Amino acid sequence: GNSVTQMEGPVTLSEEAFLTINCTYTATGYPSLFWYVQYPGEGLQLLLKATKADDKGSNKGFEATYRKETTSFHLEKGSVQVSDSAVYFCALSDEGGAQKLVFGQGTRLTINP
Amino acid sequence: ETGVTQSPTHLIKTRGQQVTLRCSSQSGHNTVSWYQQALGQGPQFIFQYYREEENGRGNFPPRFSGLQFPNYSSELNVNALELDDSALYLCASSLGGTVSYNEQFFGPGTRLTVL
Repeated sequence: GNSVTQMEGPVTLSEEAFLTINCTYTATGYPSLFWYVQYPGEGLQLLLKATKADDKGSNKGFEATYRKETTSFHLEKGSVQVSDSAVYFCALSDEGGAQKLVFGQGTRLTINP
Repeated sequence: ETGVTQSPTHLIKTRGQQVTLRCSSQSGHNTVSWYQQALGQGPQFIFQYYREEENGRGNFPPRFSGLQFPNYSSELNVNALELDDSALYLCASSLGGTVSYNEQFFGPGTRLTVL
């Protein structure tokens, strides 16, 4: 079945550091790929998405590129802020059928001032 | 525009009991999905309702059931509760239940504890 594997956490960085959170997937066909973020005490929010190979999703300084050849969708940000502290989930959605999201296990990110 | 709301916020039940969780979808959305998120894990898809019909189901037993109403709000029912059912239950609403790349908007969740 389809699956998503995320970089093990937790990740702790200093403010203004460069961030990479790795995400790889296994899927048949051509899934859509997503990054969701869960801030403390809040629900999941869509951060960015990409729907086909070589698409780049971007939002709030975060970027991720859909790489079909390496089945990856790594999340990057050039300069993190304390307010980026949250849990980040990589997810995929199969083409067709139900909008079933398959999530990775999440990566907890803490940014220190 | 009102977002996705869920009730109750927290719930404590004992093993063997039954529970009903409720979700109001975002205005204009016709699709509701339910997910179970165990502590420290990613959400797991339970099922989805699209225009009042079940439109897909994850690997959950039949004691997990649901409904979607004409106003597109939804209920999740769990019978014969087990300790492992303790989790955060998330509801998400979206448009067009068969379009895989449409954004799902999540509610804050219901925290269920089974003793």
